[in-house]
Amino acid sequence: DQQVKQNSPSLSVQEGRISILNCDYTNSMFDYFLWYKKYPAEGPTFLISISSIKDKNEDGRFTVFLNKSAKHLSLHIVPSQPGDSAVYFCAASRGYTGANSKLTFGKGITLSVRP
Amino acid sequence: KAGVTQTPRYLIKTRGQQVTLSCSPISGHRSVSWYQQTPGQGLQFLFEYFSETQRNKGNFPGRFSGRQFSNSRSEMNVSTLELGDSALYLCASSFGQGGQETQYFGPGTRLLVL
Repeated sequence: DQQVKQNSPSLSVQEGRISILNCDYTNSMFDYFLWYKKYPAEGPTFLISISSIKDKNEDGRFTVFLNKSAKHLSLHIVPSQPGDSAVYFCAASRGYTGANSKLTFGKGITLSVRP
Repeated sequence: KAGVTQTPRYLIKTRGQQVTLSCSPISGHRSVSWYQQTPGQGLQFLFEYFSETQRNKGNFPGRFSGRQFSNSRSEMNVSTLELGDSALYLCASSFGQGGQETQYFGPGTRLLVL
């Protein structure tokens, strides 16, 4: 039972354009969502997070949108840069239920930014 | 501030052996969580330690165990290794105070079981 789904395994965009990475979840108990970026043979690097009480959070070129009714979130990267090429993981937790230590991850999306 | 560190970075073992992996959290962080990453299953939660006690546990067999020391450093042990245990093992740390906390990951230990 995959509770966090990243249905598109890969995405290719032109440098300077917008990258939109999508993520869906099924567990309505999730209240905290995070995006991590990962290079091969390295640990995930935290990018941005959003609480379920918000619908948008922005940090520089990265913006995360949350649609609770649709159980959907997306990460927007504007403008995309070649250095953004990596695997992006969406993760969710139940922050206020005491189980916040357990992150449930999607399978990841490989983003390729073409120069 | 130094990040999460893990040792060793790479390890080769044979079936039936046991292995111990180490993780040092970010200074001030008291929670350490362990994850396994494999191509087929993705990133899966193993367990979490806080104040030297296991606080949460994932769905892994008892061959996977861990502990935490008073300085918050943590070790993970896998006994009777199987080929399927080949994976990248990641640890992550956070303050562990509850609520909506961000976990920060180390570089991982790549384990190969032959």
